[in-house]
Amino acid sequence: AQSVSQHNHHVILSEAASLELGCNYSYGGTVNLFWYVQYPGQHLQLLLKYFSGDPLVKGIKGFEAEFIKSKFSFNLRKPSVQWSDTAEYFCAVNAAHSGGGADGLTFGKGTHLIIQP
Amino acid sequence: NAGVTQTPKFRVLKTGQSMTLLCAQDMNHEYMYWYRQDPGMGLRLIHYSVGEGTTAKGEVPDGYNVSRLKKQNFLLGLESAAPSQTSVYFCASRPAGGSKNIQYFGAGTRLSVL
Repeated sequence: AQSVSQHNHHVILSEAASLELGCNYSYGGTVNLFWYVQYPGQHLQLLLKYFSGDPLVKGIKGFEAEFIKSKFSFNLRKPSVQWSDTAEYFCAVNAAHSGGGADGLTFGKGTHLIIQP
Repeated sequence: NAGVTQTPKFRVLKTGQSMTLLCAQDMNHEYMYWYRQDPGMGLRLIHYSVGEGTTAKGEVPDGYNVSRLKKQNFLLGLESAAPSQTSVYFCASRPAGGSKNIQYFGAGTRLSVL
């Protein structure tokens, strides 16, 4: 079974600051990795995903994440945050089955990000 | 472009009451999922379904039942609600054909059990 650890539960930044949210996973095989965002009162939206290939992936709204296999990490970054980035951010993982698989996602506990104007 | 629709959006129950949450998707997805979201816990998988007439247990299935009578609908039932089931419930769906597929989420149902 997989597990996901998000190191920062609450982060407060000022606008234009740089952001990095940590995510580590535990699983012995190949995984697919995701970052979802949940804006206040809204449903989860996909920010970005990693399946294979280039370990640096770019998502929507200027976010990017880097998969470092040796560290079992998939940290989320943004060079300059905006007030509208205030939200809850979830890292998630599922096992990459070559034969397909219906596994649900395993989520981290989330990071509540507050951007101060 | 509805995507994944959950009803109701809010519900308050008394302990011991029963209710059914409905999830409907119009994307012809084979796989559907129910998660619960609790503060500081992230989302945890309750049950899932790989197709019409099939369901399977997730991480936290106790106290819930599910049914997938039609491909587009996935129902989550609480037979005898308990305060511990106060949570926000999210439904998700995705296509089959391998694990490299994205799950699409509904807007959630906020349930309070008194």
